[in-house]
Amino acid sequence: EDQVTQSPEALRLQEGESSSLNCSYTVSGLRGLFWYRQDPGKGPEFLFTLYSAGEEKEKERLKATLTKKESFLHITAPKPEDSATYLCAVQRGGSEKLVFGKGTKLTVNP
Amino acid sequence: GAVVSQHPSRVICKSGTSVKIECRSLDFQATTMFWYRQFPKKSLMLMATSNEGSKATYEQGVEKDKFLINHASLTLSTLTVTSAHPEDSSFYICSARESTYEQYFGPGTRLTVT
Repeated sequence: EDQVTQSPEALRLQEGESSSLNCSYTVSGLRGLFWYRQDPGKGPEFLFTLYSAGEEKEKERLKATLTKKESFLHITAPKPEDSATYLCAVQRGGSEKLVFGKGTKLTVNP
Repeated sequence: GAVVSQHPSRVICKSGTSVKIECRSLDFQATTMFWYRQFPKKSLMLMATSNEGSKATYEQGVEKDKFLINHASLTLSTLTVTSAHPEDSSFYICSARESTYEQYFGPGTRLTVT
């Protein structure tokens, strides 16, 4: 069974304090790993797709990396507006289904 | 680009009534649409996958006669919760996929059954 575990469950940072969120996964034949951001009461907002180990993608203060067992979402010099829950999901080859982790709730204090 | 809308954003209904939620892809044609349910502080749980003009594929444990899904066109899918009960109260979110693997999510619908 495909599984996704995200850590930590919650993270509090001061503005400008860089950190990383972890997504560990087990899936047979990874097609893609996806990162989303979700604000309270809203649907998830797409951030990145990673397809193979060693791949990296960046967007503003966010950088996502992928290994064969885990993905990291690095946040550099975060701002209060980066506060949200960050979700990781995996998709197996041949399947339409995304399997989500429970997310990491990030709070950035000014 | 890749905007998905949902309507209504919030709905309150009485136990035993039916509620319909619409999901639209506004700027692309969605080959596949998905319906999720999310409980507080829980992960998104896939309920069903639908392709335009085909019957939806439901996940194990999801009652297909209770959660009716219609994917009438490449830009519209509807979820009807029939004979709703308080335990059906939840946050329902749809997503849509074009030709790539990314799913783009709608803003969600908060359903409260009294």
